[in-house]
Amino acid sequence: DVVMTHSPLSLPVTLGQPASISCRSSQSLVHSDGNTYLNWFQQRPGQSPRRLIYKVSNRDSGVPDRFSGSGSGTDFTLKISRVEAEDVGVYYCMQGTHWPWTFGQGTKVEIK
Amino acid sequence: EVQLVESGGGLVQPGGSLRLSCAASGFTFSDYYMDWVRQAPGKGLEWVGRIRNKAKSYTTEYAASVKGRFSISRDDSKNSLHLQMNSLKTEDTAVYYCARDGGNSGWYLWGQGSLVTVSS
Repeated sequence: DVVMTHSPLSLPVTLGQPASISCRSSQSLVHSDGNTYLNWFQQRPGQSPRRLIYKVSNRDSGVPDRFSGSGSGTDFTLKISRVEAEDVGVYYCMQGTHWPWTFGQGTKVEIK
Repeated sequence: EVQLVESGGGLVQPGGSLRLSCAASGFTFSDYYMDWVRQAPGKGLEWVGRIRNKAKSYTTEYAASVKGRFSISRDDSKNSLHLQMNSLKTEDTAVYYCARDGGNSGWYLWGQGSLVTVSS
């Protein structure tokens, strides 16, 4: 199975400041159809996961534009331009290129 | 409203069995593949298994960690999904989520989760 690795695992941030989470895969996530299926999920405390971004950089409906995704091949990044209190939680990358789909171990974002 | 609602969680002894259910509403359940994803306390997300739709003969797949012990079924006439868990181990303790397949882009629709605790 493809291994997804986050860094850092914990990210204390100041309100209003940017945050960046890295995710690396053990294999290229370029699918045979030409797409790269790297997705990001947010899990707020006590809530179910919520998909934020799909195919590297496409925001889901209702996701604030302070969230952005980038990357290619095996290296990907989720950025929050200005962290707000509601952004506290754990963020997971997930690959949908190689079956079975797999998640990273998550990055916990907390306010300093 | 489009939603998934799990039920059936609880406390069970090691070696025991439990059956989780997931009620779907607000969408054409029979069209979709459905998955179970779990999260052990304080840990990350782990895909458990999948059941495909009628067009794909209701085929199932399972994570290596549960293969041979867990079984997924569905009843399209009742818009319901089930996870039969046998020979439970303490490491199966987790919140179990049902989720609607979103193809290669992962799961957009999730249930609220059902806690399963395996302990003596």
